[in-house]
Amino acid sequence: DTEVTQTPKHLVMGMTNKKSLKCEQHMGHRAMYWYKQKAKKPPELMFVYSYEKLSINESVPSRFSPECPNSSLLNLHLHALQPEDSALYLCASSPGGGRSEQYFGPGTRLTVT
Amino acid sequence: GQQLNQSPQSMFIQEGEDVSMNCTSSSIFNTWLWYKQDPGEGPVLLIALYKAGELTSNGRLTAQFGITRKDSFLNISASIPSDVGIYFCAGLNTNAGKSTFGDGTTLTVKP
Repeated sequence: DTEVTQTPKHLVMGMTNKKSLKCEQHMGHRAMYWYKQKAKKPPELMFVYSYEKLSINESVPSRFSPECPNSSLLNLHLHALQPEDSALYLCASSPGGGRSEQYFGPGTRLTVT
Repeated sequence: GQQLNQSPQSMFIQEGEDVSMNCTSSSIFNTWLWYKQDPGEGPVLLIALYKAGELTSNGRLTAQFGITRKDSFLNISASIPSDVGIYFCAGLNTNAGKSTFGDGTTLTVKP
């Protein structure tokens, strides 16, 4: 099983709203990632969690707040977003232990109004 | 930072034709990955390459890890309409913990 699940599939939120994106994997992977992707562009790395600890933050604005409650779950908390934050948000996981191929979820299409 | 040059940017081919795309970098990577992405979906891993010179196949897809560790190519043989999509390469070094993506190759297959 190489499945990463993400909820919700679509999200529309106002600039004053607070919402959360959720990601789950049951492959025993030790690293999890959040990416942002604009149309026809490659994914842009936002955060990396390794063994449930934040290891990389690519200078992401504080209105995006990641959380890793356990080794299978990854959340992205959103607050006071801007219209330019509208994008496809992708979660990925990788096995660790020398194997670094990343498996992506289907993404959450976020629209900020 | 590290950058990947992926080419071609787009391809328009007839069903049944073979396709080749490649990625080059000025930096060395110890892993090369190839993904396919359909509109509105997440990238799907096609092939992972871990050794310089490695040649790996997955059905009609074949990818190679360049001997210099600075490049990789992906070939698709006998293309079919469902091959349509955007193909991304990604290079990474395990210790760095993050991937560098190419800008993608958009493939259109005409029946």
